[in-house]
Amino acid sequence: GENVEQHPSTLSVQEGDSAVIKCTYSDSASNYFPWYKQELGKGPQLIIDIRSNVGEKKDQRIAVTLNKTAKHFSLHITETQPEDSAVYFCSSGSARQLTFGSGTQLTVLP
Amino acid sequence: NAGVTQTPKFQVLKTGQSMTLQCAQDMNHNSMYWYRQDPGMGLRLIYYSASEGTTDKGEVPNGYNVSRLNKREFSLRLESAAPSQTSVYFCASSFKLRASEGEQYFGPGTRLTVT
Repeated sequence: GENVEQHPSTLSVQEGDSAVIKCTYSDSASNYFPWYKQELGKGPQLIIDIRSNVGEKKDQRIAVTLNKTAKHFSLHITETQPEDSAVYFCSSGSARQLTFGSGTQLTVLP
Repeated sequence: NAGVTQTPKFQVLKTGQSMTLQCAQDMNHNSMYWYRQDPGMGLRLIYYSASEGTTDKGEVPNGYNVSRLNKREFSLRLESAAPSQTSVYFCASSFKLRASEGEQYFGPGTRLTVT
């Protein structure tokens, strides 16, 4: 089955700096790559997604890039703010299921 | 709209006890899912239901059973709880089963401890 690896597991940045989280996947059939944000005590929430026919997608301070040849995708957060502190999960989807990475705890230091 | 709701929020069980986790959604979604979340392991799919009346195993189904009671409700049952089932359980729903055709919406989770 699909295997998704996510790095780093923890990331601390100064407020205003950028944060980058990287993931790799194994299944060539995967064609959908959503990113979820999980705040403390809550369920994950979709923040951005990208499909395999697109190399990059941006939504305000958040961007995702996808390299299908290398089977990796990344989340970029610019101008980080304290409210960006959370756990971020990458995931990879094909016909039926989403497979999630192990998560990155992002801490934005004031 | 409440979205996806789960009960209870917290539960402590003794080894061998049974319990049912309840999940309901009010978004008229067709597909529903149960995940477990363990430290350092992300979310792993236990069971899913593509539509009312159907259920299928996910990645880690052993020790669990599910019931899709109607379009709104999807329950997860632990018949004989084990310490290895200590975890946070999330229910999710989506309009369509195919991952690329619909966002999955998650409930707030149930934190289960088995002693």
